[in-house]
Amino acid sequence: IAGITQAPTSQILAAGRRMTLRCTQDMRHNAMYWYRQDLGLGLRLIHYSNTAGTTGKGEVPDGYSVSRANTDDFPLTLASAVPSQTSVYFCASSDQEGMGDTQYFGPGTRLTVL
Amino acid sequence: GQNIDQPTEMTATEGAIVQINCTYQTSGFNGLFWYQQHAGEAPTFLSYNVLDGLEEKGRFSSFLSRSKGYSYLLLKELQMKDSASYLCAVMNSNYQLIWGAGTKLIIKP
Repeated sequence: IAGITQAPTSQILAAGRRMTLRCTQDMRHNAMYWYRQDLGLGLRLIHYSNTAGTTGKGEVPDGYSVSRANTDDFPLTLASAVPSQTSVYFCASSDQEGMGDTQYFGPGTRLTVL
Repeated sequence: GQNIDQPTEMTATEGAIVQINCTYQTSGFNGLFWYQQHAGEAPTFLSYNVLDGLEEKGRFSSFLSRSKGYSYLLLKELQMKDSASYLCAVMNSNYQLIWGAGTKLIIKP
């Protein structure tokens, strides 16, 4: 693989169910990010990780959790999905979390919560 | 608060030039990014400005004025494949990107 992969591509989920969105990168980037993208709004940061073993909260963290056990993987978990979490979720990575570091995006996961 | 403003939609003609503006108010400034996003796809990096002035990359150029909190993306010799959304994002003092809602560019033949 090259770049960032996300799984699943799309998912329909019943409210109240638990769901993990997977993200894997093979660029050995230190920093990784989870965003959600909703119509009419800019990308909003959910959680981020500057390096393996550390995570931080973004702008809209409630209802989501992440872990960063190693450099390559950064899963996002919805503990109990609600309809307002219907969105397109993008994972991104950058070499460092610093000035000028370009973020590269995965293909996204389209999640619908009913 | 932090805010990025850009027009919701613009229309231009194939072969022409279009300028997409972006104004911002953020807590700190560590550079401004432009990304392109085709419908149903991921954003892809176009340009980065941290100093005032114009950066040129082929048919695309990006301009920054830090004192005015203003940037624009200039697309020349428009092609149909340039139909996409263009996202403006500012890196704030915490090195986090604050994103505009994007400008949908429609190219007509």
